Amino acid sequence: GDSVTQMEGPVTLSEEAFLTINCTYTATGYPSLFWYVQYPGEGLQLLLKATKADDKGSNKGFEATYRKETTSFHLEKGSVQVSDSAVYFCALFSGTYKYIFGTGTRLKVLA
Amino acid sequence: DAGVTQSPTHLIKTRGQQVTLRCSPKSGHDTVSWYQQALGQGPQFIFQYYEEEERQRGNFPDRFSGHQFPNYSSELNVNALLLGDSALYLCASSLAGSTDTQYFGPGTRLTVL
Repeated sequence: GDSVTQMEGPVTLSEEAFLTINCTYTATGYPSLFWYVQYPGEGLQLLLKATKADDKGSNKGFEATYRKETTSFHLEKGSVQVSDSAVYFCALFSGTYKYIFGTGTRLKVLA
Repeated sequence: DAGVTQSPTHLIKTRGQQVTLRCSPKSGHDTVSWYQQALGQGPQFIFQYYEEEERQRGNFPDRFSGHQFPNYSSELNVNALLLGDSALYLCASSLAGSTDTQYFGPGTRLTVL
C-alpha cells in the first residue's frame, strides 16, 4: 500500500540555519504531496503542496519539489526562526479520500 | 469565516465507556474526514462522510462509528473504549470535488484511563 517515510527527529538548529527534512514516498500512480505543520497543542496546518512531478510548492520561506525519479518531497528553508519550532508532517493523498502521513519530524530552533 | 471547530477540547474516560466527539466543518464544506493521531505518530485515517453516508473507511474496528447531519456537521463515536484509544482525534473538512484539500480542526484530546 501507499506509505510515507520521513527522517526521524528531533532536529535541533540555531536560528538562521538551513533546514532540510527528508521525505520519501511509495505510491501507485502520481499522488499529490503535502507538508503539514503542527504547533504545540494545535491541529494540522497546510504548509505547502505539489500536485505533479517537478512542481515546487512554497510558503512562508519553505519549499519542496516533487521528484518522481527519486520519489521524494524534501522540505527546505534557507533561514529558520525560533517561531518555526513545530512538528512537520509529510503526506500524500491516496486514492480519492484520504491522506497518508509520515510519523512527523520535530524541529527545535534555538535563539 | 469560521474554520473547522471541534468539541470538546479534552476528554477523560475510563475503559469500557463510550465517547462522542463533534465536528463542525469549515463554512461551505460538505465532506468530513476523521483521523486518529496517537502520541508521537502521524494521523491515521478513520473514515470520511459525505451526504450523510460513510464514503470510505480506514483500518479501524467497528467500535468506531460516525454520523453526518444535514448541516454537514459530524460526530465520531467510539464504544467499549480501550487504553489504546487514547489519542488526538482530528476532524478535517473539504469539498466533495476537492477532497485532496482538507482543512483540519484543532482536535479533541481523548485520554482513556
